[in-house]
Formats: sequence, C-alpha cells, structure tokens
Amino acid sequence: NAGVTQTPKFQVLKTGQSMTLQCAQDMNHEYMSWYRQDPGMGLRLIHYSVGAGITDQGEVPNGYNVSRSTTEDFPLRLLSAAPSQTSVYFCASKRGLEGNEQFFGPGTRLTVL
Amino acid sequence: AQKVTQAQTEISVVEKEDVTLDCVYETRDTTYYLFWYKQPPSGELVFLIRRNSFDEQNEISGRYSWNFQKSTSSFNFTITASQVVDSAVYFCALSEARRGSYIPTFGRGTSLIVHP
Repeated sequence: NAGVTQTPKFQVLKTGQSMTLQCAQDMNHEYMSWYRQDPGMGLRLIHYSVGAGITDQGEVPNGYNVSRSTTEDFPLRLLSAAPSQTSVYFCASKRGLEGNEQFFGPGTRLTVL
Repeated sequence: AQKVTQAQTEISVVEKEDVTLDCVYETRDTTYYLFWYKQPPSGELVFLIRRNSFDEQNEISGRYSWNFQKSTSSFNFTITASQVVDSAVYFCALSEARRGSYIPTFGRGTSLIVHP
C-alpha cells in the first residue's frame, strides 16, 4: 500500500493564481482531511470529508474549496492564491471508527509570492 | 480558546536527561480521544499513541510513557533517557464528536531538541 500520497511536493505560485493540491489514499478510509501547518500554529484543519460526496469546513476554510467524488481522492483547490496561504499542507485519512488514528501524507510546501 | 494547549514551545535537553511534554485539553464531551504525534526534521507526521476518555491507565512503550489525568484534563508525555533521535516536534491532539466525525484538533506543538 502507498498509504496517503500528495502531489506536488513543492509549489510556487503568484498571487491570484489557482491550483489544486492532490491527495489520494489506497486504504479505503472513509474520512479524509486537509490541514495547514504554519510556524508556531500547529496543524489547523481546513476541510474534511466523512465519505464520498460529503465535505465540511474546519477551522480555517476561507480561500479553499474541496470535493470528494471518490473514496480515494480528496483534492484541495486554491481559487485565487494569496501570500497568507504560504504554508505546508498535509492531507490525512482515517477509518471511520471514532477513535482511530489518522495517517498523514508527506505534505506539500506551497509558497505564494 | 485553544482546545489543546501545549504551553512549552521549545524544550532543550542534553542526551540521557528525562523530559516531559505537557498537554492540556478542553472538552465538554464524555467520549473523546487523545493522541500524540511526532514530526521529525524530515517533516512526516508519525502516530505515537491513542487514549480514549474512559481509559486513564498510564502507558509505557520503551522509553516513552504517557500520563492521562482527567481530573486535570492533561495527557503528558515523558521520554526517559532522551536520545538525539528524539529531537522532533511533538503534537498533542484531541478528537471529539465534531458533527459526528471525530476529526482531531491539534495543539501548536512542542519542539524538543536533544543535544549530544
């Protein structure tokens, strides 16, 4: 199993550009989520999904869109990138049972100029 | 207010010292889960332990031990005889019924530096 994969690993954007961060998992996990990690701020939840077709907002959803058309994939879209979105983005997945741990992808380092 | 507070931003120790990383959480739920994750300098996030709210038994795994106390809403992590390889950022996380999803909320992390 590849686990949770994220592409790209690094990305530089100009302000106003759009892009999609890809996330895929091959563990048939129901739940998937996106976090951003900023220095001194820990991991903050952007959006999450409890199954195909179901998404919800986390703590910092503004400026980001998600969709979940399949169990495997959970892309994160930046419609108009801003310098404040410079961060490291982690995707995670977990089985639907309440106490299970999350498995994280390797992260995407995004810089917005 | 933060749901998970890791008051220690950075801790620096010398190898073989014992070190405790503090985690205080806040929840109104009776069913919840607590986690610790490790993020080494390479950047990946590694799961260390899970504890549910009904199990206050302390846990030991090699040089690692965890102390869960509901009375003080704390879930502290102790590394005994620290080693350079323990240098990492450690995150505590709380999983509650967020609209039924139990997706975790993380603390801001504690950076542990172990000097040789």
